[in-house]
Amino acid sequence: AQKVTQAQTEISVVEKEDVTLDCVYETRDTTYYLFWYKQPPSGELVFLIRRNSFDEQNEISGRYSWNFQKSTSSFNFTITASQVVDSAVYFCALSEAEGRDDKIIFGKGTRLHILP
Amino acid sequence: KAGVTQTPRYLIKTRGQQVTLSCSPISGHRSVSWYQQTPGQGLQFLFEYFSETQRNKGNFPGRFSGRQFSNSRSEMNVSTLELGDSALYLCASSLAGTALYEQYFGPGTRLTVT
Repeated sequence: AQKVTQAQTEISVVEKEDVTLDCVYETRDTTYYLFWYKQPPSGELVFLIRRNSFDEQNEISGRYSWNFQKSTSSFNFTITASQVVDSAVYFCALSEAEGRDDKIIFGKGTRLHILP
Repeated sequence: KAGVTQTPRYLIKTRGQQVTLSCSPISGHRSVSWYQQTPGQGLQFLFEYFSETQRNKGNFPGRFSGRQFSNSRSEMNVSTLELGDSALYLCASSLAGTALYEQYFGPGTRLTVT
C-alpha cells in the first residue's frame, strides 16, 4: 500500500538559514510519481515539483532543491537562504502509475515557520 | 488564464442536511479531483473525474458523490452531513490526471457542520 511519511510536524528556522524537509514514501510499484506542494496561509495548494520514479536526478529551482533517493525511499526538499515568504505548510505526495487505480496520497505535511 | 474557482467559499450546514460544492477548472483541463482536508486526517483524496467519468475514488462512504459536466465543471455532493464532515474541501484540475500532470488547486470551500 502507498504511504507517505513526513516526520517533521513543525520546523522553525531564522531567516536566511537553510532548511530541509524530509519525506519518506512506501510503494510496491516500480512506476510512481512524487510531488511537493506548498500551502501558504491563504490555503491554496501550490505545485512545486513532480518527479517520476525513473528520474533520480536532483533538481534545483532557485532557492529550492530536491533530493530523490530510491535506495532510501526518500524525496527531501531543501530551501536555501530561507525567507519569511517561505512560511507555509509543505506536503509531499505519492501517486502510482497512471491507469492503475491511480490515487494520490499526501503526507501529513510539515509546517515551516521562517522567523525574521 | 483564470485559475480554479470554487463556490461557495464558506458554508455552514446542520447535521443531516446535504450540500453541493462546485468547482470550475482551468480552461482546457479535463481532470478534476476533490480532496478533503482536516486537521486530524490531513489531505485525503476523494475522487477524480475525467471526461464526465469518475476514474478514481478514495476511501470515503457513499454519502460523498460527485459528477462532472461536459464543460469539465464538477460538483461534489455530501448527503446526510455528519459533524466529522467539517473540513476544507479542495478541488484541483489538471490536463489529464493526478499523476502525469501537475494539479492546480482552487482556494477551497470551508464547510462547517453544526
